[in-house]
Amino acid sequence: QSVLTQPPSASGTPGQRVTISCSGSSSNIGSNTVNWYQQLPGTAPKLLIYSNNQRPSGVPDRFSGSKSGTSASLAISGLQSEDEADYYCAAWDDSLNGHVVFGGGTKLTVL
Amino acid sequence: QVQLQESGPGLVKPSQTLSLTCTVSGGSISSGDYYWSWIRQPPGKGLEWIGYIYYSGSTYYNPSLKSRVTISVDTSKNQFSLKLSSVTAADTAVYYCASEARDGYNEHDYWGQGTLVTVSS
Repeated sequence: QSVLTQPPSASGTPGQRVTISCSGSSSNIGSNTVNWYQQLPGTAPKLLIYSNNQRPSGVPDRFSGSKSGTSASLAISGLQSEDEADYYCAAWDDSLNGHVVFGGGTKLTVL
Repeated sequence: QVQLQESGPGLVKPSQTLSLTCTVSGGSISSGDYYWSWIRQPPGKGLEWIGYIYYSGSTYYNPSLKSRVTISVDTSKNQFSLKLSSVTAADTAVYYCASEARDGYNEHDYWGQGTLVTVSS
């Protein structure tokens, strides 16, 4: 049972816009920033979004993030076949002296 | 560009101690820009943060693993290490080392390729 809650799956057709939600609580998303990771099959996760809505260098602007209260969202516009991957949200949690918590992951399928 | 590489045994017996090392290249582990983290992923499951160490030796651990985890650093070798004691089959996972930025956002921007550790007799 992950501390942050994500839908297990999402899907879309090429060119479509899809969003993935991440729900937390006041001790994590409610008081800290959210990061998002993309994990392609058989590879290590890759940082996609940090500090709620910042893209590292090299990440296409098709990817965007937002946060409101104790929830966050990742949006992917102009969906492409290579976007098919697992996506994870993460945040610092202030409880129990503090630690990083992850969502359970969302498997995105491009139909 | 920072690069990380995990190394260690791929098979550990139940009740024994899992030991892994992460070698950092392309940057100094003592630069002060990062915490150095361990993250694991059981087969077919999600990510779990194990903990991190700063080059000074200060550590933060996942409360759920704290009693069994030790992370240490060797700045002379530009390496940091993970020890997880009293392992069970539930500790079977791909173990990643990663850099965790000290910018207040705790993002993991560089990752190793991961190493699968199986706990089995």
